[in-house]
Amino acid sequence: GAGVSQTPSNKVTEKGKYVELRCDPISGHTALYWYRQSLGQGPEFLIYFQGTGAADDSGLPNDRFFAVRPEGSVSTLKIQRTERGDSAVYLCASSLNRESRLAFFGQGTRLTVV
Amino acid sequence: QKEVEQDPGPLSVPEGAIVSLNCTYSNSAFQYFMWYRQYSRKGPELLMYTYSSGNKEDGRFTAQVDKSSKYISLFIRDSQPSDSATYLCAMKGSQGGSEKLVFGKGTKLTVNP
Repeated sequence: GAGVSQTPSNKVTEKGKYVELRCDPISGHTALYWYRQSLGQGPEFLIYFQGTGAADDSGLPNDRFFAVRPEGSVSTLKIQRTERGDSAVYLCASSLNRESRLAFFGQGTRLTVV
Repeated sequence: QKEVEQDPGPLSVPEGAIVSLNCTYSNSAFQYFMWYRQYSRKGPELLMYTYSSGNKEDGRFTAQVDKSSKYISLFIRDSQPSDSATYLCAMKGSQGGSEKLVFGKGTKLTVNP
């Protein structure tokens, strides 16, 4: 596609439920990133994929958060037992490869845990 | 101390003004410096990208990096109401290091017609 696509754009879930957020990167981009942006803050790094493998997951806050990219394209961020503090905008970005420093962001998924 | 510091503003200027936005950082490993623009309820959009120290100009926008002072700036000339957005600085280390971008909090800018 023309840009990074994220679905859903908005998600409201009840505390304790499981959610999946999807990211479709720019075609041909091998590097994919997930960030989380809380209100009034800059995006904070969660995880980075190079191809199918998670090259850096140091930003995942705890073991309730998990992400996959099984075929090196689409990625899914999974959050178990959601908490109200998980409410934020989850942003996905992709770049051509590891060497490219230019990351392009999607519109984000606004997650609200009630 | 956060790795990247950015005054959140808000900053309000009249149309046509020159706008100066800046960030300071503490990690001397940062080599790549970006400015993103984020409109309300949208994802960040890459505006400017600079490697190491120096200046870069693109239309009404100029990015400056002073690595000796660990200080980066974005200047907007002849500001327009359509420039009203939150501006985020972001930076990254050298190749072979961490691939993550470290962002400032963002500065909210309003350009009044």
